[in-house]
Amino acid sequence: DTEVTQTPKHLVMGMTNKKSLKCEQHMGHRAMYWYKQKAKKPPELMFVYSYEKLSINESVPSRFSPECPNSSLLNLHLHALQPEDSALYLCASSQDRDRGAQYFGPGTRLTVL
Amino acid sequence: GEDVEQSLFLSVREGDSSVINCTYTDSSSTYLYWYKQEPGAGLQLLTYIFSNMDMKQDQRLTVLLNKKDKHLSLRIADTQTGDSAIYFCAESALSTGKLIFGQGTTLQVKP
Repeated sequence: DTEVTQTPKHLVMGMTNKKSLKCEQHMGHRAMYWYKQKAKKPPELMFVYSYEKLSINESVPSRFSPECPNSSLLNLHLHALQPEDSALYLCASSQDRDRGAQYFGPGTRLTVL
Repeated sequence: GEDVEQSLFLSVREGDSSVINCTYTDSSSTYLYWYKQEPGAGLQLLTYIFSNMDMKQDQRLTVLLNKKDKHLSLRIADTQTGDSAIYFCAESALSTGKLIFGQGTTLQVKP
């Protein structure tokens, strides 16, 4: 099983809302990732968790707040977003940070009004 | 720094072979990957090759790696309309484990 699941599939939110994106994997992977992808562009890395600890933050604005409650779950909390934050948000996981291919979820399509 | 380049667009007829090319700069890369993305979907891992290999074949897919020229290609035999998608080449940076993506090649398959 190489499945990464993400919820919700679509999300529309206003600039004053607070919402969360969720990601789950049951492959026993110890590294999990958040990416942001704009249309027809490659994914841009946002955060990396390794063994449930934040390993890499690619200078992401504080209105995005990641959380890794356990080794299978990864959340991305959203608050006071801007319209330019509208994008496809992808979660991925790998065996660990320096080993194994990254497997991606289907993404959450976020629209900020 | 690390950089990955791909041509942006490729059009082929159904049944023909498709060859998508990629060049990379980080000679210390351990693995090189090909991902497929259909409209509105996430990235699907198609195949990957370890940097000490020259070739890898998996059903209709053949990956060729020329390490001297830092050139990677993906050949899709008997291309079908379902192969229409964006194909991303990616290298893993040895120092960080981060994936460095190319810009993606849009493959259009005409019936």
